[in-house]
Amino acid sequence: SYVLTQPPSVSVAPGKTASITCEKDNIGGYSVHWYQQRPGQAPVLIISYDSDRPSGIPERFSGSNSGNTATLTISGVEAGDEADYYCQLWDTRSDLWVFGGGTKLTVL
Amino acid sequence: EVQLVESGGGLVQPGGSLRLSCAASGFSFGTYWMTWVRQAPGKGLEWVASIKEDGSEKYYVDSVKGRFIISRDKAKNSLHLQMSSLRADDTAVYYCARINQLDHFDYWGQGSLVTVSS
Repeated sequence: SYVLTQPPSVSVAPGKTASITCEKDNIGGYSVHWYQQRPGQAPVLIISYDSDRPSGIPERFSGSNSGNTATLTISGVEAGDEADYYCQLWDTRSDLWVFGGGTKLTVL
Repeated sequence: EVQLVESGGGLVQPGGSLRLSCAASGFSFGTYWMTWVRQAPGKGLEWVASIKEDGSEKYYVDSVKGRFIISRDKAKNSLHLQMSSLRADDTAVYYCARINQLDHFDYWGQGSLVTVSS
């Protein structure tokens, strides 16, 4: 089966930096996208193509992708960042769109 | 402003059928791939099906192949998901989303809840 592995939960104090990982063999060879889903809301695209921020997404959100790990980094975490975060990629060989299992970010 | 509005969800018995719709506006519907993504209660996101701009190509996750059909109506700017032989594990919020550059989902609807239960 196709698996993108994320930690189930990450906790961080306000103002600190949170890192959420997404792991897969050779994920660096894919474009990885990240979504934020606040409770009771639809997902929102926050990072595309590993590190691009769509219009309106704060600079505090950044991404990187290399080797077997893609990482979403949130700097200066705020209470409003508390949400579930999902990584996603498109496998061009199998024509499948795949999500990671999601990471719940808790702001302490 | 891009808007995607789902409808058609509800309670259905196991083995039953349901048709979801997604009304699209604010963009040139006929020039984008579209997709359905679902989320079971308390669970993560799962891609379900995608359809090419002109409807000529369709892709499905294995668990719904042969039971679900994705379609689109260019004249009405609408996306549909015909679901049949529904099972309890199909219970989820179903989101309609626009696919950008074939690989990521840049706009999402608010979701439509489908509950499969007797």
